[in-house]
Amino acid sequence: AQKVTQAQTEISVVEKEDVTLDCVYETRDTTYYLFWYKQPPSGELVFLIRRNSFDEQNEISGRYSWNFQKSTSSFNFTITASQVVDSAVYFCALSEALGRGSTLGRLYFGRGTQLTVWP
Amino acid sequence: EAGVVQSPRYKIIEKKQPVAFWCNPISGHNTLYWYLQNLGQGPELLIRYENEEAVDDSQLPKDRFSAERLKGVDSTLKIQPAELGDSAVYLCASSSLAAGTQYFGPGTRLTVL
Repeated sequence: AQKVTQAQTEISVVEKEDVTLDCVYETRDTTYYLFWYKQPPSGELVFLIRRNSFDEQNEISGRYSWNFQKSTSSFNFTITASQVVDSAVYFCALSEALGRGSTLGRLYFGRGTQLTVWP
Repeated sequence: EAGVVQSPRYKIIEKKQPVAFWCNPISGHNTLYWYLQNLGQGPELLIRYENEEAVDDSQLPKDRFSAERLKGVDSTLKIQPAELGDSAVYLCASSSLAAGTQYFGPGTRLTVL
């Protein structure tokens, strides 16, 4: 069974601090995808990143970076120099690979981490 | 390019009443998903469509919930009759092979009184 755990329910930081959001996943599949989504107060889920299970290279996009480690089944997300606009709920999610020619199966989400950045 | 469109954004009904939600996916996306998000939780899949075929509806409570995607484009999710516990946000998402991820609409927030 697929499972995603985000142990941090809420995190508060002051602007310009770095913050890391943790994500641990469980799956028996050898091929799978990992995602991060942002849900601001408006409610819409905004896609941030997708990684497949064969690509453990870390990724950086501006102030955002992701650390994928299969050995510990973790896919952590770091925001550098946080800003007030980063305040949102962040979800980590896992999807099975359905095979060649198929789109994505269901996403299994964690419970989310509420990040509050204070000015 | 327009995103996933959902309507209504908000709906308040009394228990035992029927309610319907509508979703129009991103143009060209053949896969459509309906998710349920309870307060303080991550979304959970209700049903997934590949074109007009429901290929994963194992989590859909079929005694009161139904969904359709007749022409393989837009979709309707219905609850009849609604119960107090159905109060939640109903999210629609779409994807394609080329897209590589699921894109979500703004959701419909349902309140059952």
